[in-house]
Amino acid sequence: SAVISQKPSRDICQRGTSLTIQCQVDSQVTMMFWYRQQPGQSLTLIATANQGSEATYESGFVIDKFPISRPNLTFSTLTVSNMSPEDSSIYLCSAQTEIGSGANVLTFGAGSRLTVL
Amino acid sequence: AQSVTQLGSHVSVSEGALVLLRCNYSSSVPPYLFWYVQYPNQGLQLLLKYTSAATLVKGINGFEAEFKKSETSFHLTKPSAHMSDAAEYFCAVSPSGGYQKVTFGIGTKLQVIP
Repeated sequence: SAVISQKPSRDICQRGTSLTIQCQVDSQVTMMFWYRQQPGQSLTLIATANQGSEATYESGFVIDKFPISRPNLTFSTLTVSNMSPEDSSIYLCSAQTEIGSGANVLTFGAGSRLTVL
Repeated sequence: AQSVTQLGSHVSVSEGALVLLRCNYSSSVPPYLFWYVQYPNQGLQLLLKYTSAATLVKGINGFEAEFKKSETSFHLTKPSAHMSDAAEYFCAVSPSGGYQKVTFGIGTKLQVIP
């Protein structure tokens, strides 16, 4: 199965700064997704990133706050802009990696744990 | 609209005992259902999935789950817990028919007591 690498694995950031998280997949994938995992809450989908098109954002998430790039079929970035302490969370990159089953089976990276002071 | 409810954010079992993690779903269309496991400092990985074939689904590491439409449930079980099963388990749902948005539950942390 595919392997997804994320970096940074963790970071401590100052309020008002921005941080870009990188996600690398070891094989070509069509659909990539960014999730947020907050303590005591379920994983929340931020956006879907398909190569060659603009990312599709879920309700409550906007491009100005979470710009996403998808330059090719193995790579994506998520930027958390103008951070506040409320953005402290684990951000997970995932990709749809099971072709042919008809189901959206996801493979995840290990996550990027951000702490905003 | 779709959602899952995982009953019990923390579950403790003794090593060798039955593991039962509960998941109930809500979906306006026939669902696909998933269980994922997350070990510390790792990403989520798929344990098993239900995609409208057999209602009893077997996954990795001896886990299985049964889809019960009448109860809108998809509980995860394992006959005998092992210390290595200690992890967080997530139930998830998506509409059937294609690569659709997956909605996750809040997760259940499983503790295995020696």
